Amino acid sequence: NAGVTQTPKFRILKIGQSMTLQCTQDMNHNYMYWYRQDPGMGLKLIYYSVGAGITDKGEVPNGYNVSRSTTEDFPLRLELAAPSQTSVYFCASSYPDRGPPNPPLHFGNGTRLTVT
Amino acid sequence: AQTVTQSQPEMSVQEAETVTLSCTYDTSESNYYLFWYKQPPSRQMILVIRQEAYKQQNATENRFSVNFQKAAKSFSLKISDSQLGDTAMYFCAFSGQNFVFGPGTRLSVLP
Repeated sequence: NAGVTQTPKFRILKIGQSMTLQCTQDMNHNYMYWYRQDPGMGLKLIYYSVGAGITDKGEVPNGYNVSRSTTEDFPLRLELAAPSQTSVYFCASSYPDRGPPNPPLHFGNGTRLTVT
Repeated sequence: AQTVTQSQPEMSVQEAETVTLSCTYDTSESNYYLFWYKQPPSRQMILVIRQEAYKQQNATENRFSVNFQKAAKSFSLKISDSQLGDTAMYFCAFSGQNFVFGPGTRLSVLP
């Protein structure tokens, strides 16, 4: 199993450009999450999904959109990139309805995004 | 809303010694999990240890152990026999209705 795969690893955007951060998992997890990590800080939840077709906002959703058309994929869309969105983005998944509740998150390796 | 606090932004420890990282949290939930994640310079997020709130016994994973004080809402991580590879950011995380991460503690293990 590859686990959680994020692409790209690095990206530089100009202000106002758009892009999609890809995330896919092959563990059949129903829960998926997008976090951002600003320099020297912890992780803040952007959006999450409890299953295909269901998404919900986290702590910092402004400027982002998500979709969940399949169990495997959970892309994050930035429509009009701003310097404040310079961060490292992590996708994660988990499977709360199998076995013990609230198991740990499985993380991708992150995408470093710079907006200039 | 849940909050997680890590009061030590940076710590250092000599190789082979023991270090304790602090974490406190605030919640009104009774059933939850707590985790410590490690983030080395590679940026990868690695699960170190987990604790179920309903268990009184403190979790242990090899050189890593926790001191879970539910009434005090405290969840510290003890690293014994510190190794150079333990150098990383350490994040405390609360999992109830959702995951909440603390701001992290940067640990440096010195040779």
